[in-house]
Amino acid sequence: EDKVVQSPLSLVVHEGDTVTLNCSYEVTNFRSLLWYKQEKKAPTFLFMLTSSGIEKKSGRLSSILDKKELFSILNITATQTGDSAVYLCAVGSGGSNYKLTFGKGTLLTVNP
Amino acid sequence: KAGVTQTPRYLIKTRGQQVTLSCSPISGHRSVSWYQQTPGQGLQFLFEYFSETQRNKGNFPGRFSGRQFSNSRSEMNVSTLELGDSALYLCASSTGEGSPLHFGNGTRLTVT
Repeated sequence: EDKVVQSPLSLVVHEGDTVTLNCSYEVTNFRSLLWYKQEKKAPTFLFMLTSSGIEKKSGRLSSILDKKELFSILNITATQTGDSAVYLCAVGSGGSNYKLTFGKGTLLTVNP
Repeated sequence: KAGVTQTPRYLIKTRGQQVTLSCSPISGHRSVSWYQQTPGQGLQFLFEYFSETQRNKGNFPGRFSGRQFSNSRSEMNVSTLELGDSALYLCASSTGEGSPLHFGNGTRLTVT
């Protein structure tokens, strides 16, 4: 059975701190790894990674994938209170039966 | 471009009843997926439709069913509701397999 594990489950930091969120996976026929941010409602798409070692960056957020060690990290620098959310990692796998498996998420709280 | 629209936003039903949830994908998106989100289990895959055909199905009982119409709109039905079906039901659309999912705001179902 495909498995995606995120750590830590929750994290509390102060504004300006840098955080690293982890995602490890065990899936059959890996295709991609995606990060989402979920505030109160719809998860919003952040990044999709398919190749090892290539960093994806958007403002203060960045992510990298290691397909050999089967994990990804999401970094957020100079955190702001608006970064408070649940961050979800999802792994796409399978051939003709492609599906996304989600981790349970990391709850990030950024205090002023 | 309008996002993914789910209706209704909230539903309260009693055990044994059935419910139908609706999802309108982003214009041009032909793939629609459904997920159940609960605090304990996180996001769990229900099924995916593409061009009116169910392409993949998660590990849910037969009480959960869905369909997709020719305009890509999708409905999900849950029959003989149980207390454990209380959850946030999220619909997501994409252009196709392997593309990032774009989520709607969900339907919050409460079963009493």
